[in-house]
Amino acid sequence: AQSVTQLDSQVPVFEEAPVELRCNYSSSVSVYLFWYVQYPNQGLQLLLKYLSGSTLVKGINGFEAEFNKSQTSFHLRKPSVHISDTAEYFCAVSDKGGSQGNLIFGKGTKLSVKP
Amino acid sequence: DAGVIQSPRHEVTEMGQEVTLRCKPISGHDYLFWYRQTMMRGLELLIYFNNNVPIDDSGMPEDRFSAKMPNASFSTLKIQPSEPRDSAVYFCASSPGTGGVMRPNEQFFGPGTRLTVL
Repeated sequence: AQSVTQLDSQVPVFEEAPVELRCNYSSSVSVYLFWYVQYPNQGLQLLLKYLSGSTLVKGINGFEAEFNKSQTSFHLRKPSVHISDTAEYFCAVSDKGGSQGNLIFGKGTKLSVKP
Repeated sequence: DAGVIQSPRHEVTEMGQEVTLRCKPISGHDYLFWYRQTMMRGLELLIYFNNNVPIDDSGMPEDRFSAKMPNASFSTLKIQPSEPRDSAVYFCASSPGTGGVMRPNEQFFGPGTRLTVL
């Protein structure tokens, strides 16, 4: 069975500082990987995804993530955060070759950007 | 496309009343998911459908919860009778599933229904 671990439940950071949100997954098969963002009082929206090819994936709002198969990680990074990046971030995994269409979500990391 | 549509956006009801939440998925998506989100428990998958058939309902809390998908463009989540601990934001999401060439398994979320049970 697949699982996702987001090691940090909360990450406080000052504006314009770099940030890394960590995500590790476990799976016995090849996977697709996703990061979703949820702004306050809104639904989840896709930030970026890894399907295949280049292991460095760029998403919206200056975020990027790197797929590391040997470490089974998919950490999210941004070199300089803004106040508007304050949100909850969810990492998710799905089986690439299976028939199941569901995603397994991590428990989320709340990013708080302070001025 | 209008995206996933949920109604109502807000629902306030009294304990013991029946509550029905509605969802219209994105046209052409084969999968539909119902999630519940609370501060205490985070995001929980309640049930999901593939081609209108329930695939996994192991996340449904108890018999008071039921979900249906009578056709490809409509689903309901019903709580009867409702209890204060059911207060949460309920999200519906749809996905093209593994057959989505450009977006396999990517889920598109609706804006959610904020349910308050008094």
